[in-house]
Amino acid sequence: DQQVKQNSPSLSVQEGRISILNCDYTNSMFDYFLWYKKYPAEGPTFLISISSIKDKNEDGRFTVFLNKSAKHLSLHIVPSQPGDSAVYFCAASARDSNYQLIWGAGTKLIIKP
Amino acid sequence: EAQVTQNPRYLITVTGKKLTVTCSQNMNHEYMSWYRQDPGLGLRQIYYSMNVEVTDKGDVPEGYKVSRKEKRNFPLILESPSPNQTSLYFCASSFAWASTDTQYFGPGTRLTVL
Repeated sequence: DQQVKQNSPSLSVQEGRISILNCDYTNSMFDYFLWYKKYPAEGPTFLISISSIKDKNEDGRFTVFLNKSAKHLSLHIVPSQPGDSAVYFCAASARDSNYQLIWGAGTKLIIKP
Repeated sequence: EAQVTQNPRYLITVTGKKLTVTCSQNMNHEYMSWYRQDPGLGLRQIYYSMNVEVTDKGDVPEGYKVSRKEKRNFPLILESPSPNQTSLYFCASSFAWASTDTQYFGPGTRLTVL
């Protein structure tokens, strides 16, 4: 059973609008969460992260929100730009599992002009 | 330029023919790992290494071997490939093993086993 789930395989958003990518997890021991971005024919690259002691982390156009009670996190991109079109992976780790990263299946974001 | 390189980028082979996918990083990172990516499953860790001569199994190690004789190189070996090992493989490295350390990924190796 997948411990990290990204239930939307794809998402299409108009350029300039907000993109919201969602991620749910089942393991309450996860204490660190990351988002990676992947372009075709390239490896994933780190985007933003959040510790479980916080509920929000912001970096420019990217904000990650963490709702521990709901075991849910989301990535907001505002405003969305054409270069944001990529696959976004959510990943989580727990101290008691040697910080091994558990990855979601990814969401393909398409920014329409 | 700081990077993780993988070779080959694409490989088509037949069942049972031993192969090696090389991985090299030039950032003096201690931690390296191998992942496979399959549709609908995200990335799953195959093996990881915390330093030279220190390797351990990830979630899906069956059918794979690794070695870490030098800090910069972490080859993935498939002694007898089978069709269920057809996948997209990524090598990654980071300064240390904690998940708070950013992992840097190679460009991927797409392997097809017939």
